[in-house]
Amino acid sequence: NAGVTQTPKFRVLKTGQSMTLLCAQDMNHEYMYWYRQDPGMGLRLIHYSVGEGTTAKGEVPDGYNVSRLKKQNFLLGLESAAPSQTSVYFCASSLGEASTDTQYFGPGTRLTVL
Amino acid sequence: AQKVTQAQTEISVVEKEDVTLDCVYETRDTTYYLFWYKQPPSGELVFLIRRNSFDEQNEISGRYSWNFQKSTSSFNFTITASQVVDSAVYFCALSEAFSGGYNKLIFGAGTRLAVHP
Repeated sequence: NAGVTQTPKFRVLKTGQSMTLLCAQDMNHEYMYWYRQDPGMGLRLIHYSVGEGTTAKGEVPDGYNVSRLKKQNFLLGLESAAPSQTSVYFCASSLGEASTDTQYFGPGTRLTVL
Repeated sequence: AQKVTQAQTEISVVEKEDVTLDCVYETRDTTYYLFWYKQPPSGELVFLIRRNSFDEQNEISGRYSWNFQKSTSSFNFTITASQVVDSAVYFCALSEAFSGGYNKLIFGAGTRLAVHP
């Protein structure tokens, strides 16, 4: 049982390049989330999904797209990377809805955009 | 608006000292959950505890204890007899209803704890 895994762990991009971050969970969780972590700001929600085939915007969705084609996977895409997207990205999942369920986090992806 | 404040940016202690990390929150919800997560130097986020707004009993888990005081909107975390392995950034978080009733975690900015030998 690996929990939540993220690929890749590190990535360096040039401005304008695109990339996809993959998140996978093996806990059969319905809900999945993408956050970014910036110094002194805690974590901020980018997008989330409440089930296979569904996605929704979080606090800071601009410049990102997501897809949830399979229940266990949640992809985060950057179509045209910008230096402001330099950050550590965390994926999380929870069993079900809302306030009752704990979110479990992946190990993070450190992205640098030059 | 919901908000989580961790006023202590960094704390430095010597091993075996007790240390308390403060967390103050704001919410208009009557039902909410509070969490603590640990982020060690390796970078992953480790879940420590979840507390609901109806349960104000303090909780103890080994050297860790949590004091939830609804009257002062605080959810403080104490480490007794700190160890070097406790060195990490600790985040307090509040869950609120998001659009459609889905979970949204509001994180504090984190407190960096350094425990020195």
